[in-house]
Amino acid sequence: SQELEQSPQSLIVQEGKNLTINCTSSKTLYGLYWYKQKYGEGLIFLMMLQKGGEEKSHEKITAKLDEKKQQSSLHITASQPSHAGIYLCGASNTGANNLFFGTGTRLTVIP
Amino acid sequence: DTAVSQTPKYLVTQMGNDKSIKCEQNLGHDTMYWYKQDSKKFLKIMFSYNNKELIINETVPNRFSPKSPDKAHLNLHINSLELGDSAVYFCASSLRGQRQDTIYFGEGSWLTVV
Repeated sequence: SQELEQSPQSLIVQEGKNLTINCTSSKTLYGLYWYKQKYGEGLIFLMMLQKGGEEKSHEKITAKLDEKKQQSSLHITASQPSHAGIYLCGASNTGANNLFFGTGTRLTVIP
Repeated sequence: DTAVSQTPKYLVTQMGNDKSIKCEQNLGHDTMYWYKQDSKKFLKIMFSYNNKELIINETVPNRFSPKSPDKAHLNLHINSLELGDSAVYFCASSLRGQRQDTIYFGEGSWLTVV
């Protein structure tokens, strides 16, 4: 079955620092999603990448999908406490939009 | 206005009971899903419905029965609850269930079986 590996599993950074979260698959992905989850809240959609080499940015968060469409990175610039939460990458590789997810990266930002 | 709403948000119940979690989306989407997030935060699809028809039914005990009265609702009924059913259940929806469609999630329902 398809698997996504995220690294690191947890990350603690000082406010203002940059950080990167990686998501890797052994197979070609046909859609790569990044979601953020906070305790007691649902999954907040961040970005979707579909094309090899694609890069998208929203505020201080940038996500990239490599040319082979097997690896994605999420980069946060000048992190803030509001960025804290669990970041999940999800992907699809079938005709139907059936996402499977990585195990998540827990981000803590220390003020 | 909540796009995908689930009720209840928290549910504590005893083993053996039957419970339901309701889900509604006001996005006009054709496809709805149920995902389960276990204690290790691993999120996995359970069911997918498109226009009230079952599309995806992953390996889930038949104690779990989804019901879609219309395409805006997908309820999850669980019979004879077991301790291992404790998890967060997320409802979600997407426009047509196609690969390029964004999936929008509800806030989750925290189920604890004691």
